[in-house]
Amino acid sequence: GAGVSQSPSNKVTEKGKDVELRCDPISGHTALYWYRQSLGQGLEFLIYFQGNSAPDKSGLPSDRFSAERTGGSVSTLTIQRTQQEDSAVYLCATLRGSGAGGEQFFGPGTRLTVL
Amino acid sequence: RKEVEQDPGPFNVPEGATVAFNCTYSNSASQSFFWYRQDCRKEPKLLMSVYSSGNEDGRFTAQLNRASQYISLLIRDSKLSDSATYLCVVSSSGTYKYIFGTGTRLKVLA
Repeated sequence: GAGVSQSPSNKVTEKGKDVELRCDPISGHTALYWYRQSLGQGLEFLIYFQGNSAPDKSGLPSDRFSAERTGGSVSTLTIQRTQQEDSAVYLCATLRGSGAGGEQFFGPGTRLTVL
Repeated sequence: RKEVEQDPGPFNVPEGATVAFNCTYSNSASQSFFWYRQDCRKEPKLLMSVYSSGNEDGRFTAQLNRASQYISLLIRDSKLSDSATYLCVVSSSGTYKYIFGTGTRLKVLA
């Protein structure tokens, strides 16, 4: 497709379950970001990929969060043993090049609700 | 102190009004500046980049003041469709990291 896609668009899960969120970037975009946006809040940086490497994982809130990227394309964000405070919209953004100073293209997000 | 700060608003303005938002940043090494627009329950989309000399795109004008470390967005002749949250984004030279402000909410009233 022409844009960044994310799946699922909505996910409702029970506390303690694992969830996996997927991001399909724009073809050729080597930089990929994951952000989290809680209700009424700004975007919180989670992790950055350049190709398949994640040089900065400092934004991941806890060791329950992990992410990977394969083939320089699809990325998955996994949250283990979900907690209610994990409820948020998880946004993926990609751009060309290394990421410095360019336009980020966002996917529509995955709205995660942990009951 | 937050790295990027914005007045959350809301700014309620009548159609046709001119409205301006400011955004302050704390890192003097910041080099790239952007305004993104986010509609309710939608993803952010780039509105415009902010250049050192200032730039204009139709009814929108963005300016950068490095000395005082703020950027501004001016919207002239406001339309109902301008109602959204406007996010200020800052990036430092040579880094991949983008810092987002929490946004300023604009409501244009008929």
